[in-house]
Amino acid sequence: DAKTTQPNSMESNEEEPVHLPCNHSTISGTDYIHWYRQLPSQGPEYVIHGLTSNVNNRMASLAIAEDRKSSTLILHRATLRDAAVYYCIRGLPFNKFYFGSGTKLNVKP
Amino acid sequence: DTGVSQNPRHKITKRGQNVTFRCDPISEHNRLYWYRQTLGQGPEFLTYFQNEAQLEKSRLLSDRFSAERPKGSFSTLEIQRTEQGDSAMYLCASSLGLAGPYEQYFGPGTRLTVT
Repeated sequence: DAKTTQPNSMESNEEEPVHLPCNHSTISGTDYIHWYRQLPSQGPEYVIHGLTSNVNNRMASLAIAEDRKSSTLILHRATLRDAAVYYCIRGLPFNKFYFGSGTKLNVKP
Repeated sequence: DTGVSQNPRHKITKRGQNVTFRCDPISEHNRLYWYRQTLGQGPEFLTYFQNEAQLEKSRLLSDRFSAERPKGSFSTLEIQRTEQGDSAMYLCASSLGLAGPYEQYFGPGTRLTVT
């Protein structure tokens, strides 16, 4: 039971920012928001996670709505290597994950 | 390379045969997870371990599936009497668990084809 909602696909131009939305309106107070991505023919790869505050790392930024019912993954400058399926997951960080179908990001040169 | 290895990378078997997959996690990671992924879908949780203890099994995991993690190191996933519906990518992941950091590191997967 994924319990998150994401668009099936999005498209971006290379070197432009990308905002990937995720809805998790039934999130509980202890659930974190995790983002993973999966490049073709590879296992998923960790991108970022957060609980309440916005988070930044070398790969991306995570903006979490004040009511925590939605979040946005921000890739500041998309590259062709960022073309992947992005999964938004809610849950305890040291527990099993329920992946949905994710958002397939296409990056155009 | 995440440091999680899986063998074999590909397995073709005939319906009714038994298969076993192996996962070697990052050495200091005490949590190990198995997922299954079919084409066009996200990974589905199967089971996970804290050290050698199997903490949870998904209802997706029929009696034909069994997983072990002896001594809390590598893990094996066995499927008995394979069916065509078992054809999928089987992914293994590991993490540090409660101590954090919490990222799950995934292996490259074992692709199973049942003919």
